[in-house]
Amino acid sequence: DAGITQSPRHKVTETGTPVTLRCHQTENHRYMYWYRQDPGHGLRLIHYSYGVKDTDKGEVSDGYSVSRSKTEDFLLTLESATSSQTSVYFCAISDQDSTLEDEKLFFGSGTQLSVL
Amino acid sequence: AQTVTQSQPEMSVQEAETVTLSCTYDTSENNYYLFWYKQPPSRQMILVIRQEAYKQQNATENRFSVNFQKAAKSFSLKISDSQLGDTAMYFCAPMAGTASKLTFGTGTRLQVTL
Repeated sequence: DAGITQSPRHKVTETGTPVTLRCHQTENHRYMYWYRQDPGHGLRLIHYSYGVKDTDKGEVSDGYSVSRSKTEDFLLTLESATSSQTSVYFCAISDQDSTLEDEKLFFGSGTQLSVL
Repeated sequence: AQTVTQSQPEMSVQEAETVTLSCTYDTSENNYYLFWYKQPPSRQMILVIRQEAYKQQNATENRFSVNFQKAAKSFSLKISDSQLGDTAMYFCAPMAGTASKLTFGTGTRLQVTL
């Protein structure tokens, strides 16, 4: 299994508070992603990173920011959490520099975030 | 932008039988890849099978195979000899463009029964 660790696994917070989710990888992969999963929507891309300090927005980036100061860590921050951000958050990694035959995404085990 | 449609929200199949999950997609890219992921009750996202769009041959992985129709933009998953452990949510996801981004469908919940 790909070495991806998400923390925390569960979190309950109140509306208006800041929240940071962490994704840590031991694979030295270049690309990292944050997705959210909601009923009826599948997984939707929030932000992704293509290297240290290199990030870009996905389709549902409003209300979220990310940072990547080291290859192994990708942080997702909710500056002021809202109830609409209650969701399961998944981190994923990909080594796009591998051969195209091997290109694929590996996922962490997810973080259940509840905003009350 | 890519769109993905999984038109079967829920399906049920008996153990040892065969089931096919459908997926259609739309993309403007010429070179892309297609994936099926499963998500069992444990919530873990598990890669089931992968197809390169430039390959005409359909991918197979043990009991799992795909029917890839590029012109129709259709990518169905066939599970043979279904097992109880196949009970899960199944997501179809194309990957195209730079940065290996996946676009997911809304999923099909598969229940395997005795």
